[in-house]
Amino acid sequence: NAGVTQTPKFRVLKTGQSMTLLCAQDMNHEYMYWYRQDPGMGLRLIHYSVGEGTTAKGEVPDGYNVSRLKKQNFLLGLESAAPSQTSVYFCASQKGQGNLNQPQHFGDGTRLSIL
Amino acid sequence: QKEVEQDPGPLSVPEGAIVSLNCTYSNSAFQYFMWYRQYSRKGPELLMYTYSSGNKEDGRFTAQVDKSSKYISLFIRDSQPSDSATYLCATRNTGNQFYFGTGTSLTVIP
Repeated sequence: NAGVTQTPKFRVLKTGQSMTLLCAQDMNHEYMYWYRQDPGMGLRLIHYSVGEGTTAKGEVPDGYNVSRLKKQNFLLGLESAAPSQTSVYFCASQKGQGNLNQPQHFGDGTRLSIL
Repeated sequence: QKEVEQDPGPLSVPEGAIVSLNCTYSNSAFQYFMWYRQYSRKGPELLMYTYSSGNKEDGRFTAQVDKSSKYISLFIRDSQPSDSATYLCATRNTGNQFYFGTGTSLTVIP
């Protein structure tokens, strides 16, 4: 049982390059989230999705785009990477709104450096 | 003002000590409160989930919420070296957006 899998685990980019981070979950969860974690800032929500084909902005969405074409996958895109986007990115999934006690399940993160 | 404030530590205690971790939050409408544990180079994992005020106990862990002062706490009894990690407090709004503290780094010394 893999849970939430993020690829790649590490990546170094040059300013202006683009890339896509992939999150895959095998728990049939409805909700998926992308966070970034920076020292002294904690986890901040970038975008989230409450179901296949839906996306919504979180706290820090600028410079990122997302897509949820399949229920099990949530993609985070950086169109033109900037040094300020150097961070650790975490994906999380959650069963759904029906049970208020449902926890978020996190992947192990993607460490991204923008030079 | 951030939704959740947390002292980053670091906190270092001897094995067997009682650990107290604390957070404050800003919005009195928040009803759901969580504590996550995050080991180095891993994602956060849920430890405790509480609703409204009161205490919740799970083994050596106790979560406490005081809505009158907007204060949430996690107590760890008989701390073990395996408890060494970063602990994140979190809350959520009714729209299912989660807000996390910055995390407190804990080291339990054998």
